[in-house]
Amino acid sequence: GAGVSQTPSNKVTEKGKYVELRCDPISGHTALYWYRQSLGQGPEFLIYFQGTGAADDSGLPNDRFFAVRPEGSVSTLKIQRTERGDSAVYLCASSRTGADTGELFFGEGSRLTVL
Amino acid sequence: GENVEQHPSTLSVQEGDSAVIKCTYSDSASNYFPWYKQELGKGPQLIIDIRSNVGEKKDQRIAVTLNKTAKHFSLHITETQPEDSAVYFCAAILFNNDMRFGAGTRLTVKP
Repeated sequence: GAGVSQTPSNKVTEKGKYVELRCDPISGHTALYWYRQSLGQGPEFLIYFQGTGAADDSGLPNDRFFAVRPEGSVSTLKIQRTERGDSAVYLCASSRTGADTGELFFGEGSRLTVL
Repeated sequence: GENVEQHPSTLSVQEGDSAVIKCTYSDSASNYFPWYKQELGKGPQLIIDIRSNVGEKKDQRIAVTLNKTAKHFSLHITETQPEDSAVYFCAAILFNNDMRFGAGTRLTVKP
């Protein structure tokens, strides 16, 4: 596709469940970012991939959060034992080589609601 | 790490007036400062950016200024139109490509 695609667009789950959120970046983009956005707030950095490796995972809030990008394209954000405080919109963005050399292209986000 | 402060959090202007949004950053190593516009239900979209070797950049009705000494940068929108209504985010990038966003400004342009 032409843009960054995120699935699912909406996910409702119960406290304690496991959730996976998927991001399909723009083809050929080596840099991929995950952000979390709560209502009325700016995107909060979670993790940044350059190719297959996590260049910076300092934004992951705790060890319940994990992300992978095994082939350097699609990425999955995994959240274990979800808590109500995890409810937010999870945004994925990609860039040709990295945010410092060009625009970040964002997907429309996956809205996660933990009941 | 980088800390980006943005203000005001909300801004309401009359159509045709100018709007100014300001941001400060903490890391003097930051060298790239983009501005993003986010409409309801969409991801943020880049509208203008500036690098640390430039003091000002203009693109039609929008401009960005950067003061590296004071570590602040601003977005200026002139001749505002109702379609400019959105949430605007500033951001700053660290040397390792880590990009951090401000909390956002909700701009409302009244017709």
